[in-house]
Amino acid sequence: AQTVTQSQPEMSVQEAETVTLSCTYDTSESDYYLFWYKQPPSRQMILVIRQEAYKQQNATENRFSVNFQKAAKSFSLKISDSQLGDAAMYFCAYRRRFGNEKLTFGTGTRLTIIP
Amino acid sequence: EAGVAQSPRYKIIEKRQSVAFWCNPISGHATLYWYQQILGQGPKLLIQFQNNGVVDDSQLPKDRFSAERLKGVDSTLKIQPAKLEDSAVYLCASSLVSGGDYEQYFGPGTRLTVT
Repeated sequence: AQTVTQSQPEMSVQEAETVTLSCTYDTSESDYYLFWYKQPPSRQMILVIRQEAYKQQNATENRFSVNFQKAAKSFSLKISDSQLGDAAMYFCAYRRRFGNEKLTFGTGTRLTIIP
Repeated sequence: EAGVAQSPRYKIIEKRQSVAFWCNPISGHATLYWYQQILGQGPKLLIQFQNNGVVDDSQLPKDRFSAERLKGVDSTLKIQPAKLEDSAVYLCASSLVSGGDYEQYFGPGTRLTVT
């Protein structure tokens, strides 16, 4: 079974600084996706960034980028120029590309932005 | 494009009572998911529908939980009778089709408190 581990229950960063959230996963599959979702207090899960396992290039979305290390099964999220609106729970998630498409989530990291 | 709609947003019931949650997916989305998110954890899939058929209900506690998706559109998740450990946020998500490159879009969730 696939598992996703987030070892940082809480992180904090000064506004405008950079922070990195960690995630490791375990799978025997070779074709899959990895995601970072943001969940603000409103509870709505918002997709931040997606990485396809078959792509070697790390995904980037504006201030958000990932460091995908397939051999090490590591998938970290870097947030640059942190803003107050980035404060939320961040969940790392895994999904097979084909077959059972359920998302498997980690336990989350609560990110606090210090003004 | 309207997002995934869920109601109610909040519900408080006593143990052994019954409760129902409603989800309206994004128009045209064939796949619908129900996730349970217990406080301090990531969401866990309860059931996945493809149109009005069940694809995966392996994690659904079938002695008390039931779900249906009539006509392949709206879905209802029911709990009867509720237990204290059912207190959680229930998230509904939908995707255009299952698998491949299609993303899951989440609704705002229903927060259930069982007293």
